[in-house]
Amino acid sequence: DAKTTQPNSMESNEEEPVHLPCNHSTISGTDYIHWYRQLPSQGPEYVIHGLTSNVNNRMASLAIAEDRKSSTLILHRATLRDAAVYYCILRGGGATNKLIFGTGTLLAVQP
Amino acid sequence: EAQVTQNPRYLITVTGKKLTVTCSQNMNHEYMSWYRQDPGLGLRQIYYSMNVEVTDKGDVPEGYKVSRKEKRNFPLILESPSPNQTSLYFCASSLGGVNTGELFFGEGSRLTVL
Repeated sequence: DAKTTQPNSMESNEEEPVHLPCNHSTISGTDYIHWYRQLPSQGPEYVIHGLTSNVNNRMASLAIAEDRKSSTLILHRATLRDAAVYYCILRGGGATNKLIFGTGTLLAVQP
Repeated sequence: EAQVTQNPRYLITVTGKKLTVTCSQNMNHEYMSWYRQDPGLGLRQIYYSMNVEVTDKGDVPEGYKVSRKEKRNFPLILESPSPNQTSLYFCASSLGGVNTGELFFGEGSRLTVL
């Protein structure tokens, strides 16, 4: 099963950009890279996903390395409400649809 | 409103007393799955279902059963709960296929087994 590696924690200041890294060296050609976040006392929520090209939406941007072995979630201006655990997961085709979340990155945002 | 609904949200039970946590989605999603979340271990997948009558084991299926008789419902069954199944449980759903877009999660069910 394809797995991802993320730092346990990161810290940012409010209104500054945040770059959250994720390594996925065993990614296969059909795996999409998904990012979710979990706010305190809530279920995870979708942030963004992509396959090869960089992606932007209202919440964040996703930068994918050319070899697809790593990706970076970019929050352009962190707010206190962005303090959460961020999960990077791979989701693809094949015979299995197991999704391995791991422990994610705990992002702290300082005012 | 598109949502995934879990019940009960909180439950305290005793060892060996069978219980079912229900999960229902109103988005006509094909894919549904169950996760448990424990401190320091993150989210771990218990079971998933690609469609009606199709279920597969995730990473931690021991002690759990599921069924998918209807597209909208995916109940999690603990036939004989034990204290090590005390956890926070999440149900999620999405469209089927390879690029299925986002997973929608329920609000979670906190289970305590004494």
